Amino acid sequence: EDQVTQSPEALRLQEGESSSLNCSYTVSGLRGLFWYRQDPGKGPEFLFTLYSAGEEKEKERLKATLTKKESFLHITAPKPEDSATYLCAVQASGSARQLTFGSGTQLTVLP
Amino acid sequence: GAVVSQHPSWVICKSGTSVKIECRSLDFQATTMFWYRQFPKQSLMLMATSNEGSKATYEQGVEKDKFLINHASLTLSTLTVTSAHPEDSSFYICSARKIRDSTYTYEQYFGPGTRLTVT
Repeated sequence: EDQVTQSPEALRLQEGESSSLNCSYTVSGLRGLFWYRQDPGKGPEFLFTLYSAGEEKEKERLKATLTKKESFLHITAPKPEDSATYLCAVQASGSARQLTFGSGTQLTVLP
Repeated sequence: GAVVSQHPSWVICKSGTSVKIECRSLDFQATTMFWYRQFPKQSLMLMATSNEGSKATYEQGVEKDKFLINHASLTLSTLTVTSAHPEDSSFYICSARKIRDSTYTYEQYFGPGTRLTVT
């Protein structure tokens, strides 16, 4: 069974304090790993797709990396507007349709 | 871009009535859409997969007669909660699959969600 575990569950940072969120996964062959941002009362917003170990993608203050067992979402010099829940999801080989989601990391950036 | 809309954004209904939620992909065609349910401070739970022109596939434990799904076109899927009860109150989110390439790796774009409250 595919599993996705995110840590920490919650993270509080001061503005400008860089950190990383972790997503560990167990799948029977990885087709893709996805990062989403979700604000309270809203649907998830797509951030990145990673397909193979060693791949990296960046968007503003966010950088996502992927190994064979986990992915990291690095946040550099975060701002209060980066506060949200960050969700990680995987698509396994042989599964052409659905994603398996982690429980998310709730990030709070204090001014 | 890839924009998915949902309507209504929130709805309050009385117990025993039915509620329809619409999900539309605005700038791309989606042969497959998904319906999720999310409880407070929890992650998304997949309810069903909606395929255009065919019957929806429901996840284990989801009552297909209670949660009716119709994928009427390549840009529209609807979820009808029939005979709603207070325990059906939740945040319902749809998503649409945009195929990235021929390897069937795809990106899934989410709607803004619908807050259903059954009194």
